[in-house]
Amino acid sequence: KAGVTQTPRYLIKTRGQQVTLSCSPISGHRSVSWYQQTPGQGLQFLFEYFSETQRNKGNFPGRFSGRQFSNSRSEMNVSTLELGDSALYLCASSARQGGETQYFGPGTRLLVL
Amino acid sequence: QQQVKQSPQSLIVQKGGISIINCAYENTAFDYFPWYQQFPGKGPALLIAIRPDVSEKKEGRFTISFNKSAKQFSLHIMDSQPGDSATYFCAAREVGSQGNLIFGKGTKLSVKP
Repeated sequence: KAGVTQTPRYLIKTRGQQVTLSCSPISGHRSVSWYQQTPGQGLQFLFEYFSETQRNKGNFPGRFSGRQFSNSRSEMNVSTLELGDSALYLCASSARQGGETQYFGPGTRLLVL
Repeated sequence: QQQVKQSPQSLIVQKGGISIINCAYENTAFDYFPWYQQFPGKGPALLIAIRPDVSEKKEGRFTISFNKSAKQFSLHIMDSQPGDSATYFCAAREVGSQGNLIFGKGTKLSVKP
């Protein structure tokens, strides 16, 4: 089985721009969670999607949003980028909503200049 | 927000030695405690996990010890190998959080040959 894939792997943006990241979960998995990883804050939960609906949300501003499609693929959008948004964005898939076993993708490295 | 505190930040162990990483949490409303291993340029990979009704779980060279009354859990890596050199994260899942994992800040392990 193919693992979780994320595209693009690297992105460079400037402040004020917006960005969309994509995640394809493991085949058959219907839950997708997003995490932000930074050296200072570590891994922080952004949100979880299941059956095209956001089920859970972390403590991030509304500039961070996402969606999930009927094939379980998910996108994450960050609007009005700030320097502090530079991070590794990780997507994790799970077989069911709130699934304990989460499989992470390799992440998208975002650099905001 | 609930926290999971992880120590040490970094650890150097000789090949064949025992690596010990500790985590403590502040809230009893956690029901699942996984450990993840992350290599540079990769996403975290689930290593081993435990539930609070079990005091110890062993999988190969990796053992989790869990002390519910002290709200602490630890990862022991026996016979540490250079290939174990990676960053290790403990995590905890809040009851009813529907999959939201709260991560420790990570421990960078270096195993010297």
